[in-house]
Amino acid sequence: EVQLVQSGAEVKKPGATVKISCKVSGYTFSDYYMHWVQQAPGKGLEWMGLVDPEDGKSIYAERFQGRVTITADTSIDTAYMEVSSLRSDDTAVYYCATEGTLVGISIDYYSALDVWGQGTTVTVSS
Amino acid sequence: EIVMTQSPATLSVSPGERATLSCRASQSVSSNLAWYQQKPGQAPRLLIYGASTRATGIPARFNGSGSGTDFTLTISGLQSEDFAVYYCQQLNNWLRSFGQGTKLQIK
Repeated sequence: EVQLVQSGAEVKKPGATVKISCKVSGYTFSDYYMHWVQQAPGKGLEWMGLVDPEDGKSIYAERFQGRVTITADTSIDTAYMEVSSLRSDDTAVYYCATEGTLVGISIDYYSALDVWGQGTTVTVSS
Repeated sequence: EIVMTQSPATLSVSPGERATLSCRASQSVSSNLAWYQQKPGQAPRLLIYGASTRATGIPARFNGSGSGTDFTLTISGLQSEDFAVYYCQQLNNWLRSFGQGTKLQIK
């Protein structure tokens, strides 16, 4: 069974750094991109970025560029997402999700986030 | 960055009826479009990928259509468990943006 298990809830003070983990099981970690998604309280999903575990390269949404670092450790099948200089508006649930390669109706291939972690709540408060 | 716009923000439909949700991209994303369902307190769940292919285990009452910039998710014969928030996401561009979501609520 494919599973993504995220680390537990965090409470941080403004200006601190938080690092969340996402442990993969049930598939070859390096074969698929890993994404991170932010969901602020009562708000929608916001795509933060992704990492290619095979070569460690990451891509970030413009809003998160510079303050967010997404990495992958293939030796322990775990992805990480670190946010520095935390602000109150970083209070959110953060999800990791695997981008699978899925077969379409016409035997073509498409990507989608087909497996999700359970989410990690980060609260930033003084 | 491709901007995804969903409409309406909230949709009120009676059980047993049909719901039609829209998603528009600011530029063409071909058929690289996915739909997700999210219920309160849960992680999102993949419903549709490639604009029109149902993910494993998704009932046939969920149908996706469209290509290019305009996409539709249709849910026929709404059941109580279908009332949730739905998001579209484009995966044509490296910056995989989501729409802001449509809340489907009971009328």
